[in-house]
Amino acid sequence: KQEVTQIPAALSVPEGENLVLNCSFTDSAIYNLQWFRQDPGKGLTSLLLIQSSQREQTSGRLNASLDKSSGRSTLYIAASQPGDSATYLCAASMTTDSWGKLQFGAGTQVVVTP
Amino acid sequence: DAGVIQSPRHEVTEMGQEVTLRCKPISGHDYLFWYRQTMMRGLELLIYFNNNVPIDDSGMPEDRFSAKMPNASFSTLKIQPSEPRDSAVYFCASSHGTALFFGSGTQLSVL
Repeated sequence: KQEVTQIPAALSVPEGENLVLNCSFTDSAIYNLQWFRQDPGKGLTSLLLIQSSQREQTSGRLNASLDKSSGRSTLYIAASQPGDSATYLCAASMTTDSWGKLQFGAGTQVVVTP
Repeated sequence: DAGVIQSPRHEVTEMGQEVTLRCKPISGHDYLFWYRQTMMRGLELLIYFNNNVPIDDSGMPEDRFSAKMPNASFSTLKIQPSEPRDSAVYFCASSHGTALFFGSGTQLSVL
């Protein structure tokens, strides 16, 4: 069974610093890897999706990389802002039946201090 | 579009009572998912539908849980009878293609 792990569980950085969030998975036979953001009391918002054939995806200040052979994905957030404070979750899809059938990590709670 | 709409936002009930959670997916989306989030177990997929048909319910914890999707714009998740260990946030999500859109969730507390 696929296991997705996110370390650290919590992270605090001063505004302006770059954020590096780590995600590891045990089964490299994934079809894609997704990163989500969750704000308190809210649902999840999709940030980036990396197909298994891709090495990285970028959107604005966000960049996500994928290394299937080592079972790792990393989310980089450049020049962090207080508005980036949230919990970030990664999730792996093991099937092409539906890319919404996901195995989630526990998340990394990020606080960006002004 | 208003996004995925879930109701109620909060539900407090007593053990043994029936609980029904509701979801309206985004119009045009052909997949609908029910997830549950707890501190201990994180986010877990309970069941998902494609074109109103249940495809995979292997995540449904017990027979006390049931889900239906009578049409493309409405789904329910029912727990009968409810137990304290069912307390969690229940999310509905819908998709068409790769992007997955989540509702704001229903916070369920079973006393």
